[in-house]
Amino acid sequence: ETGVTQSPTHLIKTRGQQVTLRCSSQSGHNTVSWYQQALGQGPQFIFQYYREEENGRGNFPPRFSGLQFPNYSSELNVNALELDDSALYLCASSSDSGVHTQYFGPGTRLTVL
Amino acid sequence: SQKIEQNSEALNIQEGKTATLTCNYTNYSPAYLQWYRQDPGRGPVFLLLIRENEKEKRKERLKVTFDTTLKQSLFHITASQPADSATYLCALGALTGGGNKLTFGTGTQLKVEL
Repeated sequence: ETGVTQSPTHLIKTRGQQVTLRCSSQSGHNTVSWYQQALGQGPQFIFQYYREEENGRGNFPPRFSGLQFPNYSSELNVNALELDDSALYLCASSSDSGVHTQYFGPGTRLTVL
Repeated sequence: SQKIEQNSEALNIQEGKTATLTCNYTNYSPAYLQWYRQDPGRGPVFLLLIRENEKEKRKERLKVTFDTTLKQSLFHITASQPADSATYLCALGALTGGGNKLTFGTGTQLKVEL
């Protein structure tokens, strides 16, 4: 059974640029959630995708958007990057959108200069 | 607004002792609560899940309690080992209107010394 994988591991961008982060969910999982974790803080919920549809969103502006593909992998896109977007971006997959354990990937460290 | 509080100060204990970590919350009615372990630069690793109608859950050396009246969860690691040193995150789960959303605390760093 393959765990959750994310790419790239690290990324450096400049203000105003756009970025796409990728996540492959664990085998058999149809739900993917994205979180942003600033240094010294807990992860903050960005949004969740269930069977290719957005299924809940946290307090993040529209420049944070996502997609889920038929194989349940997912992308997080961030437009017009700001310095405060520098963080560890975590993807978590689960076997359904209900009360199920979320399995996290290793994260993508994004630095915005 | 919703608030989840975990001890911001690191917890240092001796090997073999029981570590107890606290998670308090306000303005929240979670359907369930989870505890995760996170090592530096890595994603959180799931440890235990407890639902609102459960009082206690155990798994090997780990025990979690959930008191919805006090709005508090306690997480215990018995016979602690240096390998248990990590940051432990408490996460509250809600199912209403927003999918399976987890709201995390800031975490407590545990250091187990020889």
